[in-house]
Amino acid sequence: DTEVTQTPKHLVMGMTNKKSLKCEQHMGHRAMYWYKQKAKKPPELMFVYSYEKLSINESVPSRFSPECPNSSLLNLHLHALQPEDSALYLCASSQDWTGGETQYFGPGTRLLVL
Amino acid sequence: RKEVEQDPGPFNVPEGATVAFNCTYSNSASQSFFWYRQDCRKEPKLLMSVYSSGNEDGRFTAQLNRASQYISLLIRDSKLSDSATYLCVVNVLSSGSARQLTFGSGTQLTVLP
Repeated sequence: DTEVTQTPKHLVMGMTNKKSLKCEQHMGHRAMYWYKQKAKKPPELMFVYSYEKLSINESVPSRFSPECPNSSLLNLHLHALQPEDSALYLCASSQDWTGGETQYFGPGTRLLVL
Repeated sequence: RKEVEQDPGPFNVPEGATVAFNCTYSNSASQSFFWYRQDCRKEPKLLMSVYSSGNEDGRFTAQLNRASQYISLLIRDSKLSDSATYLCVVNVLSSGSARQLTFGSGTQLTVLP
């Protein structure tokens, strides 16, 4: 069973809504990630947090806003999304961030934007 | 050229068959290699890391050929439960000296009874 948890499992939101996705890990990992995955495509990296600091933002639109309150938690705040943002949003964590570590994924939040 | 390329399949094989997946990567400075599996509507899960000397875990064998920039995964005695998408994952140089994992597009495997 995954030790990375994500809530909610499913989310339906309108284009004017504000919502947040939450991710938590209790493995003592210092790096956490947000990925976006469309159907039949591989995960695409959105953000990397290392030691609670944003290390990579892969040119993600500002309607996605990440937040790392502490080393165990990672949030993704959503505002004014578009229907094309509908996807599976995956959180992952790894021991550290040098690029070589195994990443462990949460079960994801399946988002539908209407 | 894509940074990580895989044959998308689908591979449909009978139970008990041996099946091999291949993956190539473009960045010769890549240092870490993995195979993940992803079941339908689930998250990717690590299947195995890939080491230069090759490594085996039960029915699964992974090989790395740095000279050819090629990674393989061999599954022997396929089970129905092996049906999934197999993702080849490589760490590639990102901005500055940072590295990040890059996923291949995945190879879909269906093991038939």
